[in-house]
Amino acid sequence: KDQVFQPSTVASSEGAVVEIFCNHSVSNAYNFFWYLHFPGCAPRLLVKGSKPSQQGRYNMTYERFSSSLLILQVREADAAVYYCVCGGYQKVTFGTGTKLQVIP
Amino acid sequence: DTGVSQDPRHKITKRGQNVTFRCDPISEHNRLYWYRQTLGQGPEFLTYFQNEAQLEKSRLLSDRFSAERPKGSFSTLEIQRTEQGDSAMYLCASSYKGTGVDEQFFGPGTRLTVL
Repeated sequence: KDQVFQPSTVASSEGAVVEIFCNHSVSNAYNFFWYLHFPGCAPRLLVKGSKPSQQGRYNMTYERFSSSLLILQVREADAAVYYCVCGGYQKVTFGTGTKLQVIP
Repeated sequence: DTGVSQDPRHKITKRGQNVTFRCDPISEHNRLYWYRQTLGQGPEFLTYFQNEAQLEKSRLLSDRFSAERPKGSFSTLEIQRTEQGDSAMYLCASSYKGTGVDEQFFGPGTRLTVL
């Protein structure tokens, strides 16, 4: 079965670097997408690709079946749910989401 | 263009009633996706369109569910004879199929509550 695995919660102190790990068993999936989701709002893409990449404070590591999202200089406003998504060129599969708790 | 919009944002209905949701994608996007999300889970793929053609449907999409995209622009998702298990957030996303990996842009979702 195509599945994406990620921790349900991760905690970090403000100002630190936090890592959210993800791995998958999705067939024909070569790309990772990391989305940020605040309740009641549309999920927003942070970083994507089939190789390591960076967008502002967000870094993405890449292996064939795993990826990590690193958030630099964590802020209280980063407290949200982060989805790891895997896909090829059409359909994608979402993980169950990781809730980031930020400790002041 | 302000992004993907969905209407309504919330819908409360009684079991057995039919409901219809609408999604307006970003105007130049040729792909449109529907997802369902239940509490504590990530969004689950339901179906997607390229222009007006429905190219794939998940097994989650029972016979009571139907989706259309008649002119390749907006899409509707109808649920007939709703059941309490249909209560969920229904998310729509759109993307432009180019030569690379297409990024999906999401709407805010329609939250359905079936009483």
